[in-house]
Amino acid sequence: AQTVTQSQPEMSVQEAETVTLSCTYDTSESDYYLFWYKQPPSRQMILVIRQEAYKQQNATENRFSVNFQKAAKSFSLKISDSQLGDAAMYFCAYRSAPYNNAGNMLTFGGGTRLMVKP
Amino acid sequence: AAGVIQSPRHLIKEKRETATLKCYPIPRHDTVYWYQQGPGQDPQFLISFYEKMQSDKGSIPDRFSAQQFSDYHSELNMSSLELGDSALYFCASSLDPTSGRNEQFFGPGTRLTVL
Repeated sequence: AQTVTQSQPEMSVQEAETVTLSCTYDTSESDYYLFWYKQPPSRQMILVIRQEAYKQQNATENRFSVNFQKAAKSFSLKISDSQLGDAAMYFCAYRSAPYNNAGNMLTFGGGTRLMVKP
Repeated sequence: AAGVIQSPRHLIKEKRETATLKCYPIPRHDTVYWYQQGPGQDPQFLISFYEKMQSDKGSIPDRFSAQQFSDYHSELNMSSLELGDSALYFCASSLDPTSGRNEQFFGPGTRLTVL
């Protein structure tokens, strides 16, 4: 079974600065998907960014980018120009590729609470 | 854009009662997933359906059952409720999991409190 680990329970960043959230995972599969979800105080789960394991290019979405290191099984999220609205719990998640027949469910890490200081 | 709809948003039940949670996926999404998030925890997968058939099963108690209907909405039925069932229950939907765009989009959740 796959496991996802987020080693930083809490992080803080000054508004307008950059912060990186860490995520590592354990799998024997070669093809899979990785995601970052944001959960603000409203508790809504919002998809931030997605990465396919077969793609070497790191995904980017506006101020959000990832550093995907497949060999190291690492998938960190970088938030640039942090804004007050970025304050939330961030979850890293793993999903197996369909042809692995291991299921299509998401396996989440324990989350990192990000605080943004004005 | 239309999102996943869950009802009710809040539910309070007594121990040993039953509860039914409903989920309406994004239009054209044929796959539905249910997750349970306890206080201070990450979401845990319960069960999923693709084209009205159960596709995957996670840590869902035997007291819970679920189904997906012909209009693709899904219901999670919970019986003999226990205090430990108090949690936020998310429904997520996606296109065919084998398709290239298979992201799961989450609903706002149903907060279940068991007294």
